Amino acid sequence: ELKVEQNPLFLSMQEGKNYTIYCNYSTTSDRLYWYRQDPGKSLESLFVLLSNGAVKQEGRLMASLDTKARLSTLHITAAVHDLSATYFCAVDAGGTSYGKLTFGQGTILTVHP
Amino acid sequence: GAGVSQSPSNKVTEKGKDVELRCDPISGHTALYWYRQSLGQGLEFLIYFQGNSAPDKSGLPSDRFSAERTGGSVSTLTIQRTQQEDSAVYLCASSPTRAQYFGPGTRLTVL
Repeated sequence: ELKVEQNPLFLSMQEGKNYTIYCNYSTTSDRLYWYRQDPGKSLESLFVLLSNGAVKQEGRLMASLDTKARLSTLHITAAVHDLSATYFCAVDAGGTSYGKLTFGQGTILTVHP
Repeated sequence: GAGVSQSPSNKVTEKGKDVELRCDPISGHTALYWYRQSLGQGLEFLIYFQGNSAPDKSGLPSDRFSAERTGGSVSTLTIQRTQQEDSAVYLCASSPTRAQYFGPGTRLTVL
């Protein structure tokens, strides 16, 4: 059974600081997604990572994937208040589980002035 | 263009009643997924449709839960004899290939 674990689950940051959210998964992954969720809202897709060594960046967020270590990271650079949200990683194991996503627990990020 | 829509946005029901939740996917998306988000269990997969067929129903928690999809479009998730533990946000996503686009969800509260 595929398990996906994120850490930390809660992250309180000061504006301007850097931090990394980690996502570990237990079996071979076909692709990995990062989503953002604002309170009371649905999931917004941030990144999809397809292969080992993949790195994608959008604004202050950068995601990477190491399939050998079964690890993805979401790095936040110079945090601003607007980044406050819950961030989820999700793994698509492919094969017979094609498209079915297994989610991490989510990381609640709060950015303070 | 129009995204995934779900209705109702909120549903409050009494324990033991049946509820129907609706999902309208993005036009042309052949795959449709239902997930459930609750405080205790996080985000869980429920069922996957490809066209009108459901090749993966492995996440449905009990036989009180069922879903159908008609015309390769609209899907309905039905929960019979609702229980308090069914309270959650039910999210629908559609996909043209692999990437999934999520709807706003239906918040179900069972009293």
